[in-house]
Amino acid sequence: EAGVAQSPRYKIIEKRQSVAFWCNPISGHATLYWYQQILGQGPKLLIQFQNNGVVDDSQLPKDRFSAERLKGVDSTLKIQPAKLEDSAVYLCASSRDRVTQYFGPGTRLTVL
Amino acid sequence: KQEVTQIPAALSVPEGENLVLNCSFTDSAIYNLQWFRQDPGKGLTSLLLIQSSQREQTSGRLNASLDKSSGRSTLYIAASQPGDSATYLCAVTPNFGNEKLTFGTGTRLTIIP
Repeated sequence: EAGVAQSPRYKIIEKRQSVAFWCNPISGHATLYWYQQILGQGPKLLIQFQNNGVVDDSQLPKDRFSAERLKGVDSTLKIQPAKLEDSAVYLCASSRDRVTQYFGPGTRLTVL
Repeated sequence: KQEVTQIPAALSVPEGENLVLNCSFTDSAIYNLQWFRQDPGKGLTSLLLIQSSQREQTSGRLNASLDKSSGRSTLYIAASQPGDSATYLCAVTPNFGNEKLTFGTGTRLTIIP
């Protein structure tokens, strides 16, 4: 089966600009996760969806970050406006059973 | 607040050697622990998952152990190969019904041919 797809793979923006990332999970996976991985650190969960509902967004900086999964399949993560400290790899993962998570290749964001 | 630590941050060993990677966590009330592998430019791949009631799990040349009471896990890699070069991350899940993963900072492993 096809894996988790993410785009773009790389993005460079100036601070205060906006950026959006897209994730297409594995077909049939109801649970979708967005993680932020800063260089030298482990991934940190930003938001978890179950179908199109939010399960956990406690670590999402809601003043600048937003995410949606309107039809319970694809998801987008947006940052507006971006700060220097948002430079990181943004990983999307999906799960069928909420035990095993399958990760996409990530989007590497550089904020200048 | 759960904190997960992995030491060392980087490790280089000659091909063929056996090696051990370490993971420690501060809160022993976990549901399970997983070891992941991360290759540059790629996502994470789950290697082994140990339930809190288990002591170890094995897959091929990999063996992961869990000592929940002391807050420690080890990943043992036998007969290392250059293809094992990657970053290895451990992650814990707090309790049943909450699969939120708390990751360690990872160990970057280099196998020298």
